[in-house]
Amino acid sequence: GAGVSQSPSNKVTEKGKDVELRCDPISGHTALYWYRQSLGQGLEFLIYFQGNSAPDKSGLPSDRFSAERTGGSVSTLTIQRTQQEDSAVYLCASSLWVGSEAFFGQGTRLTVV
Amino acid sequence: AQTVTQSQPEMSVQEAETVTLSCTYDTSESNYYLFWYKQPPSRQMILVIRQEAYKQQNATENRFSVNFQKAAKSFSLKISDSQLGDTAMYFCAFIVNNDMRFGAGTRLTVKP
Repeated sequence: GAGVSQSPSNKVTEKGKDVELRCDPISGHTALYWYRQSLGQGLEFLIYFQGNSAPDKSGLPSDRFSAERTGGSVSTLTIQRTQQEDSAVYLCASSLWVGSEAFFGQGTRLTVV
Repeated sequence: AQTVTQSQPEMSVQEAETVTLSCTYDTSESNYYLFWYKQPPSRQMILVIRQEAYKQQNATENRFSVNFQKAAKSFSLKISDSQLGDTAMYFCAFIVNNDMRFGAGTRLTVKP
């Protein structure tokens, strides 16, 4: 596709369940980012990938959060044992190289009930 | 650690007037890139303007321009001839070594 694609666009899950959020970056983009945005708030940095490698995982809020990227392309953000405070929009972005424009997906709105 | 501060949570401006949004950042690195992104109610993040830290000349994109003060670590955005379609959240961001961080945002409302 032409842009960054995230799926699902909306996800409602019960507290305690695991969820997987997917990000398909623009083809050829080496850098991939995950952010969390609560309603009306800024972007909280979660993790970034350079290729398949994530040099800094300190932004992940807890050990319930994990992320991987395979083949330098698709990335998955997994949240285990979801809590209500995990409810937010999760945004993914990719860029061609360091310092180039980052293109964002439409996000996944996660609601934990 | 890299940090970005936007001290104006909300601002408003009359249509056709000029408004300036503030941003300061902190990094020990000398080579980095700065951005302003816009997020309208549709939630889609859109790049407004980009600045390379090694360039002294301020970036300009049509009605949007920046005032980049590297020594002061300041990167403000000026919007001239404001239009109703400029109403959005504006985020300042910078990237160092592929680590991209955003400020908390400024909600801008353009009034008719």
